[in-house]
Amino acid sequence: GAVVSQHPSWVICKSGTSVKIECRSLDFQATTMFWYRQFPKQSLMLMATSNEGSKATYEQGVEKDKFLINHASLTLSTLTVTSAHPEDSSFYICSVSRGNTEAFFGQGTRLTVV
Amino acid sequence: LAKTTQPISMDSYEGQEVNITCSHNNIATNDYITWYQQFPSQGPRFIIQGYKTKVTNEVASLFIPADRKSSTLSLPRVSLSDTAVYYCLVGDEGNTGKLIFGQGTTLQVKP
Repeated sequence: GAVVSQHPSWVICKSGTSVKIECRSLDFQATTMFWYRQFPKQSLMLMATSNEGSKATYEQGVEKDKFLINHASLTLSTLTVTSAHPEDSSFYICSVSRGNTEAFFGQGTRLTVV
Repeated sequence: LAKTTQPISMDSYEGQEVNITCSHNNIATNDYITWYQQFPSQGPRFIIQGYKTKVTNEVASLFIPADRKSSTLSLPRVSLSDTAVYYCLVGDEGNTGKLIFGQGTTLQVKP
């Protein structure tokens, strides 16, 4: 299966600052990647679809100006949480899919905003 | 994407077989059924996928009745390391890989 790597695994930032999370598809060229958010004791929630070479598609209720997604190459998508606040603290996970609903996930990034 | 319903939690003991059933009454003709496993602070991991009847791999078996309105993930002889959240999802081959997760089933394996 595809190998997906996220960086960093965890990050602590001050309120009001921005944080960038990288998602790399190590052995598969992904024209599409996905970003999820997971709060404690809850399920994964799809935030947006990252499209290589074009704008990301955001799910309803997700602020596109707050969660900036860039998919500049077939192996890298980045999620930037801008002006982070404590309520943005969460577990962020990216995925790559080869269709057929079999997806490969990164190890996740734990964001804590203080 | 079809909605799924699973038990919120299950308990088991080491060495037992665990069966987790998922209901997906509105599954479409082209939909596949896929199960994922998630450990705390990790991304989900693909376990098994099927369309109908029975599928088996080195980790689990997936039983799907003829009407495909439900499916059962079977984990043989569980160990403590199988303690995790298990998600059942349905979707079709043509989808973009966009996954909508339900609440999942938290399996607690006890010694």
